[in-house]
Amino acid sequence: AQKVTQAQTEISVVEKEDVTLDCVYETRDTTYYLFWYKQPPSGELVFLIRRNSFDEQNEISGRYSWNFQKSTSSFNFTITASQVVDSAVYFCALSEARGGADGLTFGKGTHLIIQP
Amino acid sequence: EAGVVQSPRYKIIEKKQPVAFWCNPISGHNTLYWYRQNLGQGPELLIRYENEEAVDDSQLPKDRFSAERLKGVDSTLKIQPAELGDSAVYLCASRGSRVSHEQYFGPGTRLTVT
Repeated sequence: AQKVTQAQTEISVVEKEDVTLDCVYETRDTTYYLFWYKQPPSGELVFLIRRNSFDEQNEISGRYSWNFQKSTSSFNFTITASQVVDSAVYFCALSEARGGADGLTFGKGTHLIIQP
Repeated sequence: EAGVVQSPRYKIIEKKQPVAFWCNPISGHNTLYWYRQNLGQGPELLIRYENEEAVDDSQLPKDRFSAERLKGVDSTLKIQPAELGDSAVYLCASRGSRVSHEQYFGPGTRLTVT
């Protein structure tokens, strides 16, 4: 069975600090997909990134970066120079293969609070 | 391009009453999902449709929940009768092609059962 663990329930930092959100996953499949979603107070889940299991290259998008390590089954998310607008709940999710159409298995989320 | 549309945004009902949620996916998206998100938790899959066919409903409590996706576009999720434990946010998501694995979510319907 697949499982996603986000051990950090809540993180609070001061604006401009860097912050890393941890994600550890479990799956028996060799081909799978990992995602990060942002859920602001408005409630709508916003897609941030997708990573395939066969592509361990790290990715950077502006202030966001993702570190994928199959050896430790982790897919961590770092926000550099955090801003108040980054405050939200962030979810890590996993989808196993079979055409990639499976539903997502989500972690419990990390509530990120950026204080001005 | 319009996103996933859901209605109503909020619903308050008494227990044992029926309730229905509606979802209109992104145009052209063949795969549609319904998730339930309890307070402080991540979303959990209830059912997945490929066009009009329910291909994964293993997590749907079939004694009281039902869903349909006529003509492979809009979808309706129904609860009858509702219980106190059904209070949650019900999210609809859609996905385009088999190549694109991202799911795009609607704003959700927040259900409160009193």
